[in-house]
Amino acid sequence: SQKIEQNSEALNIQEGKTATLTCNYTNYSPAYLQWYRQDPGRGPVFLLLIRENEKEKRKERLKVTFDTTLKQSLFHITASQPADSATYLCALVAAGGSYIPTFGRGTSLIVHP
Amino acid sequence: GAVVSQHPSWVICKSGTSVKIECRSLDFQATTMFWYRQFPKQSLMLMATSNEGSKATYEQGVEKDKFLINHASLTLSTLTVTSAHPEDSSFYICSADRDRAYEQYFGPGTRLTVT
Repeated sequence: SQKIEQNSEALNIQEGKTATLTCNYTNYSPAYLQWYRQDPGRGPVFLLLIRENEKEKRKERLKVTFDTTLKQSLFHITASQPADSATYLCALVAAGGSYIPTFGRGTSLIVHP
Repeated sequence: GAVVSQHPSWVICKSGTSVKIECRSLDFQATTMFWYRQFPKQSLMLMATSNEGSKATYEQGVEKDKFLINHASLTLSTLTVTSAHPEDSSFYICSADRDRAYEQYFGPGTRLTVT
């Protein structure tokens, strides 16, 4: 069956360090992968999209990599700040079908001052 | 741009009553709107997809007679939870897209508690 796996344990890091979150998937042929941020009691907010033929995407302090061989995406936040504390969701859109994404459970990031 | 609102942000209702949740795209016309529910520390589960003027498409396992969706215009979709029960208590989130763009714009969510 299709699975999207994100680390269920919270990631605790110190302010200023780089946070790295992982998204692994099985039994998918994704056309593209998205990362969203979700704050408690709020809807997700779109951050970045990376297509299957792209290796890396950057936006300000954010960087996403996509390895279709490993079936994995890494999401990096450099120079992390306490305001980056939130849950980060990855979502996959399968190739050749609906454009509707399927979401992982998300990983909670806590940045300590 | 691309703001989606939901109303109410939270609601408490008694078991057996019905609750309506509104989802509006404020500054764009939404080709499609989506309804999700989310339990604590769980992923977003797609309930249904709705297009303006047509019947919603429900995901497997979602009761269409219990979760009524009306997509009356390109900027408004409503979800009515009929004869609500405590197990329907959850966080309901809508989203919208523009012309099948590659990102979805989410509303702030509605916390439903059924007592």
